[in-house]
Amino acid sequence: AQSVTQPDIHITVSEGASLELRCNYSYGATPYLFWYVQSPGQGLQLLLKYFSGDTLVQGIKGFEAEFKRSQSSFNLRKPSVHWSDAAEYFCAVAMNTGFQKLVFGTGTRLLVSP
Amino acid sequence: DAGVTQSPTHLIKTRGQQVTLRCSPKSGHDTVSWYQQALGQGPQFIFQYYEEEERQRGNFPDRFSGHQFPNYSSELNVNALLLGDSALYLCASSLGDSLGTEAFFGQGTRLTVV
Repeated sequence: AQSVTQPDIHITVSEGASLELRCNYSYGATPYLFWYVQSPGQGLQLLLKYFSGDTLVQGIKGFEAEFKRSQSSFNLRKPSVHWSDAAEYFCAVAMNTGFQKLVFGTGTRLLVSP
Repeated sequence: DAGVTQSPTHLIKTRGQQVTLRCSPKSGHDTVSWYQQALGQGPQFIFQYYEEEERQRGNFPDRFSGHQFPNYSSELNVNALLLGDSALYLCASSLGDSLGTEAFFGQGTRLTVV
């Protein structure tokens, strides 16, 4: 069965510092991978996705993620964090069949300090 | 474009009661998925509707049922409510059910069972 692990429940980063959020997945075939962000009281917004091809994918708001098959990882990065990036971040995986059922990790809450 | 709209935004019900949550998909979208997000957890897939039929179901009991109307809007019904059903219920819409399409999420309905 598919599963997603986000080992960091909370992360605090200073404004302007770089950010890396970890995501590991378990799936027998090539997965479809996603990162979503959820601000308080809001729904989920897609930051970026990986289906195939270049393993470094660019997303919105200056985020990028790198797919590493050998490590079963899909870590999210941002070179310089802004206070408005404070939110909950979810990694998700979908089976590569013609049906989109997303399996989410438990999320990482990002706090940004001044 | 109104995006995905859900109603109501908040709801308080008593154990044993029944509840209906509603979702209007983004304009042009024909597929609706429902997710349950318990406090401190990632969203969990409940089921998906496409062409007015339930396409796939997650690990949820039969107390959870749904419907999709010809205009693609959808309802989620939960019978015999339990305290553990308290959660944020998210609706996501997409065009078709393939993995290449992005799922857009609504802001959710916060259900509290007392």
